[in-house]
This record gives sequence, structure tokens and C-alpha cells, in this order.
Amino acid sequence: AQSVSQHNHHVILSEAASLELGCNYSYGGTVNLFWYVQYPGQHLQLLLKYFSGDPLVKGIKGFEAEFIKSKFSFNLRKPSVQWSDTAEYFCAVRYNNNDMRFGAGTRLTVKP
Amino acid sequence: EAGVVQSPRYKIIEKKQPVAFWCNPISGHNTLYWYLQNLGQGPELLIRYENEEAVDDSQLPKDRFSAERLKGVDSTLKIQPAELGDSAVYLCASSLGQGAGDTQYFGPGTRLTVL
Repeated sequence: AQSVSQHNHHVILSEAASLELGCNYSYGGTVNLFWYVQYPGQHLQLLLKYFSGDPLVKGIKGFEAEFIKSKFSFNLRKPSVQWSDTAEYFCAVRYNNNDMRFGAGTRLTVKP
Repeated sequence: EAGVVQSPRYKIIEKKQPVAFWCNPISGHNTLYWYLQNLGQGPELLIRYENEEAVDDSQLPKDRFSAERLKGVDSTLKIQPAELGDSAVYLCASSLGQGAGDTQYFGPGTRLTVL
């Protein structure tokens, strides 16, 4: 079955620490990959996306993600987090049958 | 550009009552999605529309849930009767259409509490 796994349920970091959130998906041929963010009290917003080309994708607010096809992974990274990055982060994968699957989310808490 | 609009934002009902949620997608977006999001989980697709046609409703519990998108723009999702387990956030999203590069944009959701 098509599925998306996010390894960390809750991550707590201090400001300026580096961030890496894991995302793995089940094999399904050609995929489109997304990271969405949900800030407290707000709706899901697109952080970045990968469709093709350079596997290192840069998004808003200094986030980036790397697609590693051989590992079925699309990990999210940020070199230095800020308190304002406190949010829930969702990895999503659209398979080539147009089925969109989301991970369970990772809650990031950044301590000032 | 206005985003996806949903109403109401919050709804509290007693079990066995009906409830309806409304969604207005981004202008020009042909594809509309309804998702269910339980606490601590990611969104799960309930139904996907291409214009007026429901092209994927395989995850919609059809005994109590129904949806419509009569003119290919606004959509309504209904639950009748609601059960305790239906308490969740109901998200609407829209996109330009299927194909390479298609991106979904989400509304704020309706948080349903069934007592």
C-alpha cells in the first residue's frame, strides 16, 4: 500500500540549532513530493515541492529538502531554526495514480 | 489572490444530528478535495472532484457522508447522522488540475466536535 512515514513525532530544538525531519515513502514509481507546514492556529501552507530536476529543492523561510530516489526519502532541513519555526510539518507524496498521501506530521518546538 | 475559503470554522453538534461544511476554492481551480484530519494525523482524502465530477470517492463513508459540487466551483460536504468518531478537522483544498506540477492549496478547515 502507498504510505508516507515521518520518523519523528515531536522534535524539540533550541534556536540556531540545525533541523532535519525525515520522510520516507513506499515505492510507487514516479512521485511528486511536498512539505507542508501548519503554524499554530493557521492552515496548511506549502513549504516546498519537488516534481523533477535538481533533487535539492529550496523553499520558503530558508528550508530545503533533498530527494534521494534510492532511499525513497525526502528529508526536510534548515541550518538554523528560529522560534517562529515552531509548527507542525507534514510530508506528502503524490503517486502517479494521483493518490496523495500525507505523513502523520512532526511537531517542531523551538525554544527561545 | 484569495485562498480557499471554508465555513464554518468551528461546529459543535450532538450525535445523530446532521452537519454541513462549505468550501469555496481558489478561482480557476478545477480540482477540489475534501480531507479528514484526525488529531495527531495527517490529512486523509475523502473525495476529489474534477470540475463537477467526483473522480475519487473511494474513501468516503457513503452511508453517512455525501458531497456535491454542482456548478464546478463551491462544494458542500455533509454528514448525516454524525457520530462521536466524526470529531475531526475537515479540510478543503483546491488545485488547477491534475498533471505534472499540480499543487494543492488548503483552506483553514472546519473543526467538528460531536458530543
